Amino acid sequence: AQTVTQSQPEMSVQEAETVTLSCTYDTSENNYYLFWYKQPPSRQMILVIRQEAYKQQNATENRFSVNFQKAAKSFSLKISDSQLGDTAMYFCAFMIEGYSTLTFGKGTMLLVSP
Amino acid sequence: AAGVIQSPRHLIKEKRETATLKCYPIPRHDTVYWYQQGPGQDPQFLISFYEKMQSDKGSIPDRFSAQQFSDYHSELNMSSLELGDSALYFCASSRGTEGNTIYFGEGSWLTVV
Repeated sequence: AQTVTQSQPEMSVQEAETVTLSCTYDTSENNYYLFWYKQPPSRQMILVIRQEAYKQQNATENRFSVNFQKAAKSFSLKISDSQLGDTAMYFCAFMIEGYSTLTFGKGTMLLVSP
Repeated sequence: AAGVIQSPRHLIKEKRETATLKCYPIPRHDTVYWYQQGPGQDPQFLISFYEKMQSDKGSIPDRFSAQQFSDYHSELNMSSLELGDSALYFCASSRGTEGNTIYFGEGSWLTVV
C-alpha cells in the first residue's frame, strides 16, 4: 500500500516570503505521479502542480516549484513571494501509473500573514 | 475554462433518508471520480468510472451506489444515511485514466441530522 506523509500540520509565513512544505511517500512502484493540491477556506480542491516520477526536472508553475528527490521519496513544495491568497490547506497526493486514484496526505495548513 | 459542476452544493437529510449527488465533468473528460472528505480529514476515494464503466472502487459503503451516464455525467446515490456520512463529497474528472491530472469540482456538502 502506498502512503503519503506530510509532517507539518501547520505552517505560517509572512507575505512576500518563501515557504517550503514537506511531503514524503512510500511505494514499491517505479512509475507514478505526484501532485500538490490546495484547498482554501472555500474548500474547493485546486491543482497546484504535478510531477511525473520519470522526469528528473522539477516541475514549476509560476511562484510554485517542487523539489522532487526520487531516491529519498521526497516531494516538497516551495512557494515564493507568498501572497495572502495562498492561505489554504495543502495536500500532497500520489498516483500509481496504470491506476486512476489519488492517495492524499493529511495536509499542511499554511497561513500567510501581512 | 469550464470546470467540474456538482449539484446540489448543500443538502441536509435526516438519518435513514436517501440522497443523490450529481456531477457534470469537464467537457471531453471521460473519467469521473467520487471522493469523500470528512471534517478535518483528507479526501478518501470512493469510486470511479471510465467510459460509463466502473474502473476503480475504494472505500465506498454498500449503501452507496454510483453510475456514469451516456453524456458522461455521474450520480452518487446514498441510502440509509447515517450521521457519519456527513461530509464534503467531491466529484472530479480527467481525460483518460492513467496518470492524467484529476480536476475537482467545488464539492457537495451533505449534512445528516
